[in-house]
Amino acid sequence: EVQLVESGGGLVKAGGSLRLSCAASGFTFSSYTMSWVRQAPGKRLEWVSSISSRGNYIYYAASVKGRFTVSRDNAENSLHVEMTRLRLEDTAVYYCVRRVVGVETGSDYFDPWGQGTLVTVSS
Amino acid sequence: DIQMTQSPSSLSASVGDRVTIACRASQSISTYLNWYVQRPGMTPKLLIYAASSLESGVPSRFSGSGSGTDFTLTISGLQPEDFATYYCQHSYTIPPTFGQGTKVDVK
Repeated sequence: EVQLVESGGGLVKAGGSLRLSCAASGFTFSSYTMSWVRQAPGKRLEWVSSISSRGNYIYYAASVKGRFTVSRDNAENSLHVEMTRLRLEDTAVYYCVRRVVGVETGSDYFDPWGQGTLVTVSS
Repeated sequence: DIQMTQSPSSLSASVGDRVTIACRASQSISTYLNWYVQRPGMTPKLLIYAASSLESGVPSRFSGSGSGTDFTLTISGLQPEDFATYYCQHSYTIPPTFGQGTKVDVK
């Protein structure tokens, strides 16, 4: 069974830092691009970042670029995001997701999603 | 960034109803459009990818259509477990963006 389990969320003051991790199992982790998607309370889902299978291509949303750093350890089947200079608006549930490319369609999608970890930034 | 707009933002329906949710992209995205469902207290789950391809294990009452800028998710025969929030998402470019969601609740 494909499984993604996030950890590391919690309460942090604005300006502070936090590191989230995602443990992957049930698939060949090193073959997939992985992403972080977040959902602030009452808001739509927001893509945060994606990292290619070997970690050589990394993309960030404009809202987090320069503050968040995503990395992966293919030997440990794990994904990480180092979040610095946190802002109130970074408060959200952070989901670890796998990016899948459909063989027949060539179109990609997020599947599955982890259970999420809550990050709360206080003033 | 490509903006995704869903309509309606919420709707009330009964078990057995046919429900249609629309999603519009701010520019053409071909068929690079996915649909997800988020049931209360649960994580999002893929329903439809590439606009009309049903994810394995998803009931056939769900269907998707459209291309370019206008897309539709249809639930033919709403079931109790379908009362949830539905999101569309494009995968045409980076950044991928989501619609604001459509909440389907009990009439």
